[in-house]
Amino acid sequence: DQQVKQNSPSLSVQEGRISILNCDYTNSMFDYFLWYKKYPAEGPTFLISISSIKDKNEDGRFTVFLNKSAKHLSLHIVPSQPGDSAVYFCAASGLLQGAQKLVFGQGTRLTINP
Amino acid sequence: DAMVIQNPRYQVTQFGKPVTLSCSQTLNHNVMYWYQQKSSQAPKLLFHYYDKDFNNEADTPDNFQSRRPNTSFCFLDIRSPGLGDAAMYLCATSRDKTGTNQPQHFGDGTRLSIL
Repeated sequence: DQQVKQNSPSLSVQEGRISILNCDYTNSMFDYFLWYKKYPAEGPTFLISISSIKDKNEDGRFTVFLNKSAKHLSLHIVPSQPGDSAVYFCAASGLLQGAQKLVFGQGTRLTINP
Repeated sequence: DAMVIQNPRYQVTQFGKPVTLSCSQTLNHNVMYWYQQKSSQAPKLLFHYYDKDFNNEADTPDNFQSRRPNTSFCFLDIRSPGLGDAAMYLCATSRDKTGTNQPQHFGDGTRLSIL
């Protein structure tokens, strides 16, 4: 039962354009959502997060949108830069089985073309 | 810089030969986690420690165990590695487990190969 889904395994975007990465979740107990960025041979690096009481959080070129009714979140990167090429993991946090847990999506490989 | 450090980065072991992976942190966080990540899959939580309190996931095989001798260090022991245990093992920390708005901070992982 995959509670967090990233349906696009890969995405290719032209440098300077907007990158939009999508994520869907199924468990309404999730109340905090995060995006991680992962380069090859490195661990995931925390990028940006959003609490369920908000619908938007912005940090520089990165904006995360949350649509609770649709159980959907997205990460917008604008403008996209070559250094943004990486795998992006969506993650959702909530009280599950009595403990605060983080559940990851399968990741989307973003490639920024010069 | 405060960080999460995993050693070794690459580990090769023989089928059935016990192996230990280590993780240390300078963040002084209360919670330490171990994840298993196989190729093109999401990281999967194996267990976590909240201080000295060990919490095992229901579907973590008995073959996997963990030790946390102090706040800074946490070990993952695989007693009898099988071919299916070849994966990237990620250690993470968070300041606390209760409440929200606390990201987990990851090490760079140990890639385990089984011969």
